[in-house]
Amino acid sequence: GAGVSQSPSNKVTEKGKDVELRCDPISGHTALYWYRQSLGQGLEFLIYFQGNSAPDKSGLPSDRFSAERTGGSVSTLTIQRTQQEDSAVYLCASSSSGLAGGPQETQYFGPGTRLLVL
Amino acid sequence: GQNIDQPTEMTATEGAIVQINCTYQTSGFNGLFWYQQHAGEAPTFLSYNVLDGLEEKGRFSSFLSRSKGYSYLLLKELQMKDSASYLCAAESNSNYQLIWGAGTKLIIKP
Repeated sequence: GAGVSQSPSNKVTEKGKDVELRCDPISGHTALYWYRQSLGQGLEFLIYFQGNSAPDKSGLPSDRFSAERTGGSVSTLTIQRTQQEDSAVYLCASSSSGLAGGPQETQYFGPGTRLLVL
Repeated sequence: GQNIDQPTEMTATEGAIVQINCTYQTSGFNGLFWYQQHAGEAPTFLSYNVLDGLEEKGRFSSFLSRSKGYSYLLLKELQMKDSASYLCAAESNSNYQLIWGAGTKLIIKP
């Protein structure tokens, strides 16, 4: 497809289980972002990938969170030993370069994965 | 520090005009984005300002004052479908990442 896709769209899991969330960015976009959004709240930055550079992990809330981006395209966000406070919508976005400011840095968002930890 | 402020909620009438303000403080600033987010959906891009002044795009216009650290989104001829949250985001000129406001929930009444 032409846009950012994410899977699964919804995920219900039990506390303590691990989950993997997937993001397929727009083809050719070198920058990829993961955000978390709790109900009625703004976007919380988690991690940023730019090409082959080391990712910016400064937003990851704990060491239970990790992310990979293989081949500069698809990304997987992994949450280990999930907690109830991890329940949120996890949004992925991509942009064309992430290197210089300007309209080309517009971030295009996927539909999100709604995670519910029971 | 880095901070983005925008009102939590605003109410307006169908057919009217509404202005949503955003103030920002960043360690370095490149430009200002506005996004629209309908309930249960992902944010979608509305506008990007890098120069001072007003940029008009149909019923929506966005204004930026770099010296005042201030922006606003102006929505004219409001329609019911404009009911959504409007997110302001400042782009850092050091790492080009976006610092997001919490969003303004706009409620349109008939």
